[in-house]
Amino acid sequence: DAKTTQPNSMESNEEEPVHLPCNHSTISGTDYIHWYRQLPSQGPEYVIHGLTSNVNNRMASLAIAEDRKSSTLILHRATLRDAAVYYCILTKTLGTSYDKVIFGPGTSLSVIP
Amino acid sequence: DAGITQSPRHKVTETGTPVTLRCHQTENHRYMYWYRQDPGHGLRLIHYSYGVKDTDKGEVSDGYSVSRSKTEDFLLTLESATSSQTSVYFCAISELRGGSYEQYFGPGTRLTVT
Repeated sequence: DAKTTQPNSMESNEEEPVHLPCNHSTISGTDYIHWYRQLPSQGPEYVIHGLTSNVNNRMASLAIAEDRKSSTLILHRATLRDAAVYYCILTKTLGTSYDKVIFGPGTSLSVIP
Repeated sequence: DAGITQSPRHKVTETGTPVTLRCHQTENHRYMYWYRQDPGHGLRLIHYSYGVKDTDKGEVSDGYSVSRSKTEDFLLTLESATSSQTSVYFCAISELRGGSYEQYFGPGTRLTVT
């Protein structure tokens, strides 16, 4: 299984943009890059995913390096509610087949008022 | 909301007793997962299922068994609970969207083994 590397923790000021990095140097051509986050006392929730191109949704943006060996989750304007652990994971989808998903320790994001 | 419920939500049990946790989903998802989460370890995959009666082991399967006799239910059993199995257990399903599978998690079960 391809692995990801993230900083253990990051801090951001409220209403500022946040860039959460993820390295995945052993990514394969069939691996999708997924981001999840886990708010305190809750289960993880899906944030965004992508394969090669940058992606935007209502929660965040995902910037993927041209060589796909790294990616960045961008929160455009951090709020206190964005304080959570953010997980970057790789998933393999081959047709309709799906593999197990392994979560790493993630990045704990603190948002300062 | 992917229609995932877990029961019980909280349980305290004694060492050596059997415990079964239930994950129920209402949207006919093929893939289901059980994770445990402990401080300092993050989320760790216990077992997963890719269809009725089709299951496989994850990273930390020792001491756990699972069963899936119908699509909507995925059961996790601790045959003889130990204190090291005190944890928060999350069930998840996968749904194909945008070319890849997204996971959706249940609310969790907090299990304490005394």
